[in-house]
Amino acid sequence: DGGITQSPKYLFRKEGQNVTLSCEQNLNHDAMYWYRQDPGQGLRLIYYSQIVNDFQKGDIAEGYSVSREKKESFPLTVTSAQKNPTAFYLCASSLDFNYGYTFGSGTRLTVV
Amino acid sequence: SQQGEEDPQALSIQEGENATMNCSYKTSINNLQWYRQNSGRGLVHLILIRSNEREKHSGRLRVTLDTSKKSSSLLITASRAADTASYFCATGYGGSQGNLIFGKGTKLSVKP
Repeated sequence: DGGITQSPKYLFRKEGQNVTLSCEQNLNHDAMYWYRQDPGQGLRLIYYSQIVNDFQKGDIAEGYSVSREKKESFPLTVTSAQKNPTAFYLCASSLDFNYGYTFGSGTRLTVV
Repeated sequence: SQQGEEDPQALSIQEGENATMNCSYKTSINNLQWYRQNSGRGLVHLILIRSNEREKHSGRLRVTLDTSKKSSSLLITASRAADTASYFCATGYGGSQGNLIFGKGTKLSVKP
């Protein structure tokens, strides 16, 4: 079945550590996106990529980095520069913004 | 900000009743989409309406779009307890804006 997979489901980060969240899709979608969701809030865009080897900063890119070496994969690294990383992270993909997004099931990141 | 705003923030109804949620936005759009999110899960795409459309239906869902008022509504008819979720509108602007912008959502509770 086609879909988008995020892993891990839960992730704990110590202060000063970098962590990487995985996002893989087998939908043959060109565009992929990372959003952050805080409790009771909407989604805020971190990074998006419309094509392999190209990506754009979203509204809250500081403290995060991404790569898009393969069409299927769009990993997000939360660096130690991100001072408040505890949140629910959602990855999505689509043909482009003119079509509906398919979302993964999310990764909940907690700083310990 | 281009972010859409949903109204109301929270809605509680009885099973069998209709639920109406509204979304307002500020600048001209290419399309508007509605998504559902169950607690702690990813978002699920419900329906997309393009700027040249006024109404769309999908099962028990009816979406309207009024571009002159920059607003949209989502109607869920004959609601069920399983409809309990948060509902988000997302606006697509086209051009160099290659991503959707999500509102903060309406939390719907359907009591059996």
